[in-house]
Amino acid sequence: GAVVSQHPSWVICKSGTSVKIECRSLDFQATTMFWYRQFPKQSLMLMATSNEGSKATYEQGVEKDKFLINHASLTLSTLTVTSAHPEDSSFYICSAQNSERSGIQYFGAGTRLSVL
Amino acid sequence: LAKTTQPISMDSYEGQEVNITCSHNNIATNDYITWYQQFPSQGPRFIIQGYKTKVTNEVASLFIPADRKSSTLSLPRVSLSDTAVYYCLVGDRNSGYSTLTFGKGTMLLVSP
Repeated sequence: GAVVSQHPSWVICKSGTSVKIECRSLDFQATTMFWYRQFPKQSLMLMATSNEGSKATYEQGVEKDKFLINHASLTLSTLTVTSAHPEDSSFYICSAQNSERSGIQYFGAGTRLSVL
Repeated sequence: LAKTTQPISMDSYEGQEVNITCSHNNIATNDYITWYQQFPSQGPRFIIQGYKTKVTNEVASLFIPADRKSSTLSLPRVSLSDTAVYYCLVGDRNSGYSTLTFGKGTMLLVSP
C-alpha cells in the first residue's frame, strides 16, 4: 500500500517553456503533499508543502511564481515549472502523507528535468 | 526541527550486519525518528520509524536509547542491492505538516 505515482519520469524541454509534473497518491488520500528538488550527489531540498484546497507553502528562496503548485484533490498535486531555464534542470521528487498523520512520507519515483 | 548527524559513508560486505548511527541531540518530546533509503535517480523509500527502545520490521531494526539523542539503523545480512543512501530524519509526526529536513545521509556501499 501507500503508492505514489509521479509523471513524467523524465522530460526535456526548451528554455522558456513550461513543464508540468504530476504527483498522485494511488491507494490513499493525501491531505498533504511535498515537493522536493535534488541536485546530483546532494540531499533532498524541500521546495513547498501542498495542502488540498489551499495555497501551497513555499520554503524560503523558492519562487512561487516560477514553481506553481496546485493540489486540486486529495490524490493529485501538480508542480509547474514556468519559463524554465537551464539552471532549473534537476531531479524533482514529490511525496504524500496520508490522513492518518503517521508522519511517514511516501515518495514518487522522481522526475528528471533537463532544460536545453 | 531537530538536526541530525550521520556518517557520510560506510563500507560493508555481503552477508554482514550493518549498523548506521544517527545523532539527534536536540530531539523534542514529540519527535519521531524515521529512516529512508534512496537509490540513485529514485525517490526515497520508507524503511522504519520509531519513538523509543526497539522497533523491528521485515527489513531492518531501529534501536533508540533511553535518552533518544541517537538512533541506530541495523540492516541484517546486507546484499549488494542494499547499496544506497540512508537518511535519518527527526520530526513531530503529529504536527500539521510534519515537514522533515533531509540531511546529507549515509552512503552505504556493499561489496561482494
